[in-house]
Amino acid sequence: DVKVTQSSRYLVKRTGEKVFLECVQDMDHENMFWYRQDPGLGLRLIYFSYDVKMKEKGDIPEGYSVSREKKERFSLILESASTNQTSMYLCASSLRTLSYNEQFFGPGTRLTVL
Amino acid sequence: GNSVTQMEGPVTLSEEAFLTINCTYTATGYPSLFWYVQYPGEGLQLLLKATKADDKGSNKGFEATYRKETTSFHLEKGSVQVSDSAVYFCALILRSNQFYFGTGTSLTVIP
Repeated sequence: DVKVTQSSRYLVKRTGEKVFLECVQDMDHENMFWYRQDPGLGLRLIYFSYDVKMKEKGDIPEGYSVSREKKERFSLILESASTNQTSMYLCASSLRTLSYNEQFFGPGTRLTVL
Repeated sequence: GNSVTQMEGPVTLSEEAFLTINCTYTATGYPSLFWYVQYPGEGLQLLLKATKADDKGSNKGFEATYRKETTSFHLEKGSVQVSDSAVYFCALILRSNQFYFGTGTSLTVIP
């Protein structure tokens, strides 16, 4: 069974802390994505990566960075967490082909910044 | 620009009622269209998809038809069940890295 896993389901951090969210996929997908999900705003793309060590900014990259050292792993980093980064974070992956690419999602990490 | 607009929720229906969730899109080029479902406490799962105009996607009793003339991809189900309670997202993709989601529609089905 194909799978995208995220390191934590729930996380509570304090303002100013450095936060790491990890995502691992076992499908040998080239593309990986980080979204945040907020009520009334749907999913917003933070960063994506189409290959190891490659990254591109999404719609809301401010306050975030990412790391892709291995094909199966994509990390989202909050350098200095702030309360407005309290949200649900979803990781996804997909194949890189010329046709449509279904995205497979992890279960999400609900982050609370106090 | 490219975008997806879906009907605001929340939607509350009685079991066995007919469901329609409207979705319209704006896109340059020829998108593929998707409906994803998110059950409580879980990530998004693909529900159905359509890759070209007039295609009909279907799964678990849900259907949606890709209508290029009205730029729509409305989700329908003839008889909803309590287990269909979830948040539904319409989405389009243009190229490998360009995925656009609607804001989601929450559905609650009551017995």
